[in-house]
Amino acid sequence: GQNIDQPTEMTATEGAIVQINCTYQTSGFNGLFWYQQHAGEAPTFLSYNVLDGLEEKGRFSSFLSRSKGYSYLLLKELQMKDSASYLCAVREIGGSYIPTFGRGTSLIVHP
Amino acid sequence: DVKVTQSSRYLVKRTGEKVFLECVQDMDHENMFWYRQDPGLGLRLIYFSYDVKMKEKGDIPEGYSVSREKKERFSLILESASTNQTSMYLCASSREQGAEGDEQYFGPGTRLTVT
Repeated sequence: GQNIDQPTEMTATEGAIVQINCTYQTSGFNGLFWYQQHAGEAPTFLSYNVLDGLEEKGRFSSFLSRSKGYSYLLLKELQMKDSASYLCAVREIGGSYIPTFGRGTSLIVHP
Repeated sequence: DVKVTQSSRYLVKRTGEKVFLECVQDMDHENMFWYRQDPGLGLRLIYFSYDVKMKEKGDIPEGYSVSREKKERFSLILESASTNQTSMYLCASSREQGAEGDEQYFGPGTRLTVT
């Protein structure tokens, strides 16, 4: 099984940088996903990490440290439209290979 | 673009009714999933299917069943709806499991209220 932990809520200012952390415990790591979910909408895929290091995609970056069981999503130049929930999902080796989702972090961006 | 559609955005049913939630994906994905999402609990997997007529239980299958007669369609069935099944139900699909890039594509969700 997996234990995935994310902060419940974060607030930040428009134009700033925010880092959303995700820690996990798993017996056989096989990939970590980040999704964004606006209120009342479907989650949409943001990033995937399976090797240590930083993956950059425009204003969003995702980092992974497998030895520490730790990932973060970094959002730069925050915009009001970035207000959403951010879901971390971890996949384990074996079994069904289906990722398990954390409870999500609600990010509020204010002017 | 991958498109996952769900039959209803909002649904109100009475306790004891049989409820069908339909999901269709148009990208020939192998895998399909049903989740429920509740405040403070996140996304929880109910059932998934990796092929036509194949199904596997997720973390919370009690009170639910599923059907996958065609590759593009995955149905969630509540045999006898109860108030604790009031929730947001999300369908998802993915290309294949265990492979890099097999992110899930989600439908818009069905908010089910059981009274």
